[in-house]
Amino acid sequence: DAKTTQPPSMDCAEGRAANLPCNHSTISGNEYVYWYRQIHSQGPQYIIHGLKNNETNEMASLIITEDRKSSTLILPHATLRDTAVYYCIVKAAGNKLTFGGGTRVLVKP
Amino acid sequence: DAGVTQSPTHLIKTRGQQVTLRCSPKSGHDTVSWYQQALGQGPQFIFQYYEEEERQRGNFPDRFSGHQFPNYSSELNVNALLLGDSALYLCASSPGQGPIGYTFGSGTRLTVV
Repeated sequence: DAKTTQPPSMDCAEGRAANLPCNHSTISGNEYVYWYRQIHSQGPQYIIHGLKNNETNEMASLIITEDRKSSTLILPHATLRDTAVYYCIVKAAGNKLTFGGGTRVLVKP
Repeated sequence: DAGVTQSPTHLIKTRGQQVTLRCSPKSGHDTVSWYQQALGQGPQFIFQYYEEEERQRGNFPDRFSGHQFPNYSSELNVNALLLGDSALYLCASSPGQGPIGYTFGSGTRLTVV
């Protein structure tokens, strides 16, 4: 599975949009981009995934560049409960999830 | 609808002992994966069970073994515990071996002293 690069940490103001970047320049055509988050002392939680089209659900939006070498997770209106470690994972269907270091997001009042 | 249930939530063991952790998957899920998460790091894949067989395995020694039962529940066994085995052990279940619908439990915190 392709390797991903994420900033180790970022702050965000409550009520504002949080834009979390992820670089996956070696992604293959059959690999999906997944985002999970892990709130302190809990197991990781699925947020969203996509192949090449932008995706949106009740939690977030996923923007994938046309060349698929990078993506951005957007939390439209960050709340204090969105403080967590966010993991960007690239993998093909059927393969295991491989977690990197993630981005530690702190939402501030 | 209960999600993934893990037991126990916390456990303290002595170096050299053996431990068994348990996982009940979410209703409708037939695949169970186990992860180890050391403090401050991302979860690391241990192995995955589907149809009562180990299907994939990460870079973990044979001291780590598992089992899946006909009701899809699973156990993780670790023999000859080392101090470095202290971690949060996470179980994830899914419908089939793909990552879609992966649901994680809250984990078992294992401390080896």
